[in-house]
Order: sequence, then structure tokens, then C-alpha cells
Amino acid sequence: EVQLVQSGAEVKKPGESLKISCKGSGYSFTSYWIAWVRQMPGKGLEWMGIIYPGDSDTRYSPSFQGQVTISADKSISTAYLQWSTLKASDTAVYYCARQRGVDYPGNFPPPLDYWGQGTLVTVSS
Amino acid sequence: QSVLTQPPSVSGAPGQRVTISCTGSSSNIGAGYDVHWYQQLLGTAPKLLIYGNSNRPSGVPDRFSGSKSGTSASLAITGLQAEDEADYYCQSNDSSLSGSVFGTGTKVTVL
Repeated sequence: EVQLVQSGAEVKKPGESLKISCKGSGYSFTSYWIAWVRQMPGKGLEWMGIIYPGDSDTRYSPSFQGQVTISADKSISTAYLQWSTLKASDTAVYYCARQRGVDYPGNFPPPLDYWGQGTLVTVSS
Repeated sequence: QSVLTQPPSVSGAPGQRVTISCTGSSSNIGAGYDVHWYQQLLGTAPKLLIYGNSNRPSGVPDRFSGSKSGTSASLAITGLQAEDEADYYCQSNDSSLSGSVFGTGTKVTVL
């Protein structure tokens, strides 16, 4: 069974750093892209970026380039999203999701077929 | 604001049909990229509902259907049920953003 299990909720102060995780299981972690998606309180979904754990190729949405770092450790089947300096406006639920692989028969982009449960990040002084 | 525009809300009585539009442009839907739809029940993670414009993953009821034409896509729910009350998002790729993008989201209310 494919599963993406995310790390627990975090409460941080502005200016602090943070790294949240997303552990994949039940499939070949190195063969599928993992995306990160932000959902601010009461708002919609925002595409942040995506990483291919096989070679750590990473693409960022222009809105998030330079604001966060996406990484992966394929030895432990885990993807990460990190901030060096948190702001109150980073308060949101963050989801990781697997992008369907090379078997996808349609046109680009493949869909996000499995999602993590979400990690709530609260940044407040 | 997203480059894919959806109506903020739609509503219908049980058993009725509702449709949700996802309006894009020549740099995303109109460029031939696939459109996918996700359902997000209150307090839960999104779930893939329709992929590749009109295909349903295993387990998704056939009352959900998708279509695409030109620079827009649509999600239809026929025989609306109380459990369909949720937020719905379209997703595609945008060449000007060099990546994927979600629609603005639509809240479906069952009256």
C-alpha cells in the first residue's frame, strides 16, 4: 500500500528555522516525483515545488523560489521542506504528494495520486 | 491569484447536477496540458478525483465526470449527494510559470 506519512504539527516563532518531512512507503521512492503544496488558513491549494528523489532534481514555483528548500534523502525514502527564517505568513498546512510516474498515459503533467496527511505549521510570536 | 479560475461556490439540492468550470488560457489548458481534479473534504488532505481531463481513478463514483475544451475544463457531479459537499480544485501545467498550478477552488454545498 502506497503511503506518505508527514511529520507532526509545529509551532515556531518568527525568525526560527524549520524542516518538515514526508516519508514514502509501499513503492519505489526514487522513481516518482514528490510535490509540496501549501494551504494557508481558509485558502486554496498552492503548488510550491517538486523533487525527484532519484537524482534530487528540484523545480520550484516562482512564488516559492528562494523562500523554501526542498530536498530528499533516498536512503530513508524521505522528502523534506525547510525554511531558514520563518515568517508569520508561513502559517499553513503543508502537504506532500506523489506525482504519478512514467506509466501515466496522458499528457503532461501527471496527476498527484497519493497525498500525505498534511503538516500544520504555526508561526507566531 | 491563480491562472486557473474557478467559481468560488456552487450549490444544488440532493439528486441535482452541478458543474464547476476551470478557466485558463493558451499557456496552460489551451496549450494541451492535462487537467486533473481533486476533492478536499473538510479537514482532510485532497484526493485525486479525475485525471487526464476525464478519467476516474478506481473507486471514484461514476457520478463524477470531467471534460476539457479549448482553454477550459469542467467537472460535473450528477445525482448530488450530501457526502459530495467539499472543496474542488483543478490542476494543470502553465508554461509561463514553468510548473504546475492549481485552480482557485470551488466550494460545493448540498442544500
